[in-house]
Amino acid sequence: DIVMTQSPDSLAVSLGERATINCKSSQSVLNSSNNKNYLAWYLQKPGQPPKLLIYWASTRESGVPDRFSGSGSGTDFTLTISSLQAEDVAVYYCLQYYTTPLTFGGGTKVEIK
Amino acid sequence: QVQLVQSGPEVKKPGASVKVSCKASGYTFTDYTIHWVRQAPGQRLEWMGWINAGIGSTKLSQRFQGRVSISRDTSATTTYMELSNLRSDDTAVYYCARVAATNWNVLWFTDWGQGTLITVSS
Repeated sequence: DIVMTQSPDSLAVSLGERATINCKSSQSVLNSSNNKNYLAWYLQKPGQPPKLLIYWASTRESGVPDRFSGSGSGTDFTLTISSLQAEDVAVYYCLQYYTTPLTFGGGTKVEIK
Repeated sequence: QVQLVQSGPEVKKPGASVKVSCKASGYTFTDYTIHWVRQAPGQRLEWMGWINAGIGSTKLSQRFQGRVSISRDTSATTTYMELSNLRSDDTAVYYCARVAATNWNVLWFTDWGQGTLITVSS
């Protein structure tokens, strides 16, 4: 199984400041045949299902604010919130869909400092 | 719009089985694969398996050692996940989720059900 390791477990960021979340996979999720990284990012608020932010590691889902961006390739990925807003308080998860079993990171809780 | 509406919460005793439903609307049911994912309290999201709603093929996580099955009823546009021989550590919120595109069994999820809390307790 591909193990997804997120860091940090939690972070507190001031409103308007940058938040950076890391996700590392135990093996590459880059498909060399199409040069795509099979990685997505979600946020989850209490009592709600996850909401899609990013897929193919860096493609923003329609309707997601452009303060959210994804980067990285192979085994190392980053989700950046360029200017944290109050509504961004949530737990963030990475997901690899390169192979089954699909696996999620452990989550990063983002709070306001 | 796409909607996935799941059945309500249940309390089960250890050793029992539970069957959770996920009714789809707003799209052509047989064009998309549905996955099941669970989230135990304080734990990460855990993938359980998928069903291709068109042809009915499934792939299940080996982690459940044959305790999980996934089925669908195309006339009811509903997918079912059944988990047997329940244990206390099966207490979790169970989600169905639809993949992003047709002709893909495995892809990121764009739409999720609201979740169903299954509590296993004696």
